[in-house]
Amino acid sequence: GAVVSQHPSRVICKSGTSVKIECRSLDFQATTMFWYRQFPKQSLMLMATSNEGSKATYEQGVEKDKFLINHASLTLSTLTVTSAHPEDSSFYICSAGLGGGTEAFFGQGTRLTVV
Amino acid sequence: AQSVTQLDSQVPVFEEAPVELRCNYSSSVSVYLFWYVQYPNQGLQLLLKYLSGSTLVKGINGFEAEFNKSQTSFHLRKPSVHISDTAEYFCAVSGPGAGSYQLTFGKGTKLSVIP
Repeated sequence: GAVVSQHPSRVICKSGTSVKIECRSLDFQATTMFWYRQFPKQSLMLMATSNEGSKATYEQGVEKDKFLINHASLTLSTLTVTSAHPEDSSFYICSAGLGGGTEAFFGQGTRLTVV
Repeated sequence: AQSVTQLDSQVPVFEEAPVELRCNYSSSVSVYLFWYVQYPNQGLQLLLKYLSGSTLVKGINGFEAEFNKSQTSFHLRKPSVHISDTAEYFCAVSGPGAGSYQLTFGKGTKLSVIP
């Protein structure tokens, strides 16, 4: 099956700094990737849809200036959490779809802790 | 709009006993249905999916699910669970076409297998 790699798997940063999370489709091209956020003991909530070569589409309530998404190539999307605060601590997961298919493939997730 | 309801947040079950994790969905269009498993601090692994055709779907690790359109349900079953099945299980729905990779998740069911 298709493989999506997410890096880093775990990151701790100081409040006020920025953190970049990468999502790569290793063996296929993905024109669209998705970023989800998972709060402790809760479900995954879609944050935004990342479109290659164009601006991301954010879900209602998600601050686009805080969560910067860049999809510069067909195999890489990045999520940058800017000026991170403790309330941004969460588990972030990306996914990508194999063109023409029906299944989204998920990265391993990134545990972000802001101290 | 689509939504998913997982009726049980936690399900304890003894090893080698059968288990059913319940999932109901609502959608105004035809849907694709998925079950994912998540182990602690990891991404999502697809267990099985329903796209069309036979309503009984078999997945990995001995799991199966039945799509019931009249009851808008997609319950997950396993006849005999193992300790290694202890994890969080998510039911998800998407639609055909361009939105097929964008998933709406239920809140998850934590399956605990008791030795």
